[in-house]
Amino acid sequence: DTGVSQDPRHKITKRGQNVTFRCDPISEHNRLYWYRQTLGQGPEFLTYFQNEAQLEKSRLLSDRFSAERPKGSFSTLEIQRTEQGDSAMYLCASSLFGASRSGYTFGSGTRLTVV
Amino acid sequence: SQQGEEDPQALSIQEGENATMNCSYKTSINNLQWYRQNSGRGLVHLILIRSNEREKHSGRLRVTLDTSKKSSSLLITASRAADTASYFCATGDTGANSKLTFGKGITLSVRP
Repeated sequence: DTGVSQDPRHKITKRGQNVTFRCDPISEHNRLYWYRQTLGQGPEFLTYFQNEAQLEKSRLLSDRFSAERPKGSFSTLEIQRTEQGDSAMYLCASSLFGASRSGYTFGSGTRLTVV
Repeated sequence: SQQGEEDPQALSIQEGENATMNCSYKTSINNLQWYRQNSGRGLVHLILIRSNEREKHSGRLRVTLDTSKKSSSLLITASRAADTASYFCATGDTGANSKLTFGKGITLSVRP
């Protein structure tokens, strides 16, 4: 297992377009998290899954954002009608247990630029 | 929202010196973790300290936790140029399904 994989690494899109990102976690990890990070800031929580169930979604997340984790394996994060404010690094992480017991393994992220 | 506040925001030291970074938080936690991030990359987990622990070591890293002051410090001894990165503290709250909440980070520059 080579760790958490994210695809694509970079995405440039025009405002108003939809984008979808993919995350492949470590295979034995049952928890998967999505964070967003802007320049000079720490990662901001978006949502997380335990197996295929989405357990929590940030109240800051607009309805344009949706995430899925079918069959409890890979996950996708879709942003509809992108806005310039969506430009950020989108980070995926996975863990075997919750944050109360273990650290996260992060992917390298997908950098989104909305023009 | 961000729970941890790191201090200083930026730190520049000479190779071989020790680097000390501090983190303060606001609410009760189950554990506190430190991560490193190289420019444009994902975060790498460094160390986890539980709320009932006061000090933990891992290689050149030493982390302390003072729950009465709601603060933690990360010490990197004998720093190397390769330690140049951003460092984040993250807190896991006491809930069973807790997630990590990250601070804004500290930029460490180690001059060769």
